[in-house]
Amino acid sequence: EPEVTQTPSHQVTQMGQEVILRCVPISNHLYFYWYRQILGQKVEFLVSFYNNEISEKSEIFDDQFSVERPDGSNFTLKIRSTKLEDSAMYFCASSPGRDIFSYEQYFGPGTRLTVT
Amino acid sequence: LAKTTQPISMDSYEGQEVNITCSHNNIATNDYITWYQQFPSQGPRFIIQGYKTKVTNEVASLFIPADRKSSTLSLPRVSLSDTAVYYCLVPLPMDSNYQLIWGAGTKLIIKP
Repeated sequence: EPEVTQTPSHQVTQMGQEVILRCVPISNHLYFYWYRQILGQKVEFLVSFYNNEISEKSEIFDDQFSVERPDGSNFTLKIRSTKLEDSAMYFCASSPGRDIFSYEQYFGPGTRLTVT
Repeated sequence: LAKTTQPISMDSYEGQEVNITCSHNNIATNDYITWYQQFPSQGPRFIIQGYKTKVTNEVASLFIPADRKSSTLSLPRVSLSDTAVYYCLVPLPMDSNYQLIWGAGTKLIIKP
């Protein structure tokens, strides 16, 4: 069964450093998403991506964040200057994409980001 | 502020039917309601999605009243492995656009 993969599983970085989180969505999916989940809290939407551009983003997704689909398979989330409060689990998801609000999304296992 | 509301936690016993209700007063006209399950340290997993009335699959049923301002996830004959957090997902209008807003989640604990 196809699945979303994410690397690395755990990333430790120092405050102010840039990190890139990587995801490989399911191959025939059209919509891609990033979410984050601070330990013990709810899932928070960051951004959705379709047709090589951002289609929706939340207030959390400010100028320090960017997303890219550099090739036909990878989908990345870059955090330019990490802050302590960026420590969280980051989930990538993809969906077949009937429309952006078709929520049968498939989630990856997550990358745990620890900012020290 | 647009949001969804779910009970923070629920307890039940193996073999029982569990119903979890989510309220979403500002749901948009054409949008679907979706429920996800999440185990600790794992990504959420799709359970069921519906627009109105009732939807059933091999895992759960989803009941949506005519006004669509709430929905109820029904898990028949739960087992210990159903212990997880359950999230209700609806798109809600915010300013001039829509946001994907997850509920706070309901932590379901199944006891033997």
